Amino acid sequence: GENVEQHPSTLSVQEGDSAVIKCTYSDSASNYFPWYKQELGKRPQLIIDIRSNVGEKKDQRIAVTLNKTAKHFSLHITETQPEDSAVYFCAATYTGNQFYFGTGTSLTVIP
Amino acid sequence: GAVVSQHPSWVICKSGTSVKIECRSLDFQATTMFWYRQFPKQSLMLMATSNEGSKATYEQGVEKDKFLINHASLTLSTLTVTSAHPEDSSFYICSAPGQTTNYGYTFGSGTRLTVV
Repeated sequence: GENVEQHPSTLSVQEGDSAVIKCTYSDSASNYFPWYKQELGKRPQLIIDIRSNVGEKKDQRIAVTLNKTAKHFSLHITETQPEDSAVYFCAATYTGNQFYFGTGTSLTVIP
Repeated sequence: GAVVSQHPSWVICKSGTSVKIECRSLDFQATTMFWYRQFPKQSLMLMATSNEGSKATYEQGVEKDKFLINHASLTLSTLTVTSAHPEDSSFYICSAPGQTTNYGYTFGSGTRLTVV
């Protein structure tokens, strides 16, 4: 099956700085890569996703890049705000419905 | 949009008892439901996949006799933790493929299980 690795496990940034989280995957057949934000005790919320036919996608302060050759994808958050503090998970799928999640990154934005 | 309702949101039970968690798709038919478990400060781990009208598929290492899954209708899937023990305390969350896109994925609100 698919194996998704995520780094770093914890990340602290000053408010206004950028944050980058990286994930690698093992199965070259994977073709959909979502990113989820999870606040304590709550369900994961989809914040951005990218398909394998696209190299980059941006939505306001959030962007995701994908390198299919190297089998890695990254989440970029610019102009970070305290409310961005949460745990972020990457995921990969090749079946279209069963997701394999990364281990998570706990992001803290320091005011 | 697609909504999955999960109940209860929080439950405390005594060791040895059983707990049932329900997930209902409110405005769409969920032929498949994924059940995940999340321990504190860890990622979501797929436990099993339930399919309406057939037996659930369990991931390696998950005891099917302990975690009973039933998908009796197109809108309801249940997970029963039988003979619960403190090590079963975790956050359980269901998810179903949505309808908005080929890869749409709707999560339930999660159930915090504490076994004392």
